[in-house]
Amino acid sequence: DTEVTQTPKHLVMGMTNKKSLKCEQHMGHRAMYWYKQKAKKPPELMFVYSYEKLSINESVPSRFSPECPNSSLLNLHLHALQPEDSALYLCASSQEVSGGPSTDTQYFGPGTRLTVL
Amino acid sequence: AQKVTQAQTEISVVEKEDVTLDCVYETRDTTYYLFWYKQPPSGELVFLIRRNSFDEQNEISGRYSWNFQKSTSSFNFTITASQVVDSAVYFCALSEAKTDSWGKLQFGAGTQVVVTP
Repeated sequence: DTEVTQTPKHLVMGMTNKKSLKCEQHMGHRAMYWYKQKAKKPPELMFVYSYEKLSINESVPSRFSPECPNSSLLNLHLHALQPEDSALYLCASSQEVSGGPSTDTQYFGPGTRLTVL
Repeated sequence: AQKVTQAQTEISVVEKEDVTLDCVYETRDTTYYLFWYKQPPSGELVFLIRRNSFDEQNEISGRYSWNFQKSTSSFNFTITASQVVDSAVYFCALSEAKTDSWGKLQFGAGTQVVVTP
């Protein structure tokens, strides 16, 4: 069983709604990631947090707002999304011992399937 | 430029046949890591293997085996005696150990494996 959990599993929202995706990992990892995956495509990196600090933002629109309250939790706040934002949103974590460049294995959660109407 | 190429879009086999998934990568780094992930229809990315660039030893894990050849920049994956539960999309990924690539898994396009009874 995965030790990275994501809620909700499915989310349907309108373009004016505000919602949040939640991710929690129970492996003591210090790096956490958000990915977006469209159908029949590989995952695309959105954000990386290392030791609760945002270290990578892959030019993601501001309607996506990440938050890392502590080393085990990662949120993605959604506001004023567009239908093209409908996708599977995957959270991942990795050990990240040194705080520097990391090639540690990333472990993924089951994802949240988001539909924007 | 695409750094990981999975030329096979879809492979269909009958149960108990062997199936080999090709992965060709491109990097100028001497230190890098290669990964394979499995994504069943449920959506979760399941980690299968991580291999560093200094370890060319092939690996076998149950019905899974991996052939890493630096001379041809390939990291191929074979499923022996395939089963219906092996039906999934398989992603090969590359991680380079340099600062500006920190935390970035570069995925191939994925190969859909369909195993029929």
